[in-house]
Amino acid sequence: DVKVTQSSRYLVKRTGEKVFLECVQDMDHENMFWYRQDPGLGLRLIYFSYDVKMKEKGDIPEGYSVSREKKERFSLILESASTNQTSMYLCATRPRSSYNEQFFGPGTRLTVL
Amino acid sequence: AQSVTQPDIHITVSEGASLELRCNYSYGATPYLFWYVQSPGQGLQLLLKYFSGDTLVQGIKGFEAEFKRSQSSFNLRKPSVHWSDAAEYFCAVVLMDTGRRALTFGSGTRLQVQP
Repeated sequence: DVKVTQSSRYLVKRTGEKVFLECVQDMDHENMFWYRQDPGLGLRLIYFSYDVKMKEKGDIPEGYSVSREKKERFSLILESASTNQTSMYLCATRPRSSYNEQFFGPGTRLTVL
Repeated sequence: AQSVTQPDIHITVSEGASLELRCNYSYGATPYLFWYVQSPGQGLQLLLKYFSGDTLVQGIKGFEAEFKRSQSSFNLRKPSVHWSDAAEYFCAVVLMDTGRRALTFGSGTRLQVQP
């Protein structure tokens, strides 16, 4: 079974803090993704990576950055957290072919006070 | 703008009743289509997918979906709903002609099941 783990299920941070969300997968998938999920908006793509050290902006990259130094790990960074970044963050992975499904982690619910 | 639309935010059905969740997309080419389910406190799980071929696809948990090109729709159905089907359902697409590798999601439909 594909396993996608996220470092925290719940996280509370203060405005202005630098926040790291970690995602680790054990299936050697090339593609990794970060989404945020908000009520009524579904999931929106923040960033994705199709290989080590490669990244592309998604639909809502502002206020975020990412890092992929190793194939199995994809980090989402909030340089200076703001209250409007309070959300559920979901990591996903997929093998190279776009024909395949994405596998999702359990999510991190981040609250920025 | 290109989009995926799930027109029903909230649906309530009785246990044992049939279910249809709607999904429409507005892209020029036929995308690859998916339905995911998110149970309370859980991550997203794939129910089924459509790439090509037979337009009626079967998924897990007794779900099926039908792709209708003329209507740009990919509606999810289940003949008899169980209480455990209460969850949020997301339609999603991958646009092969854009080179974009990520899913684009609809806003979701929350399903409640009455006893």
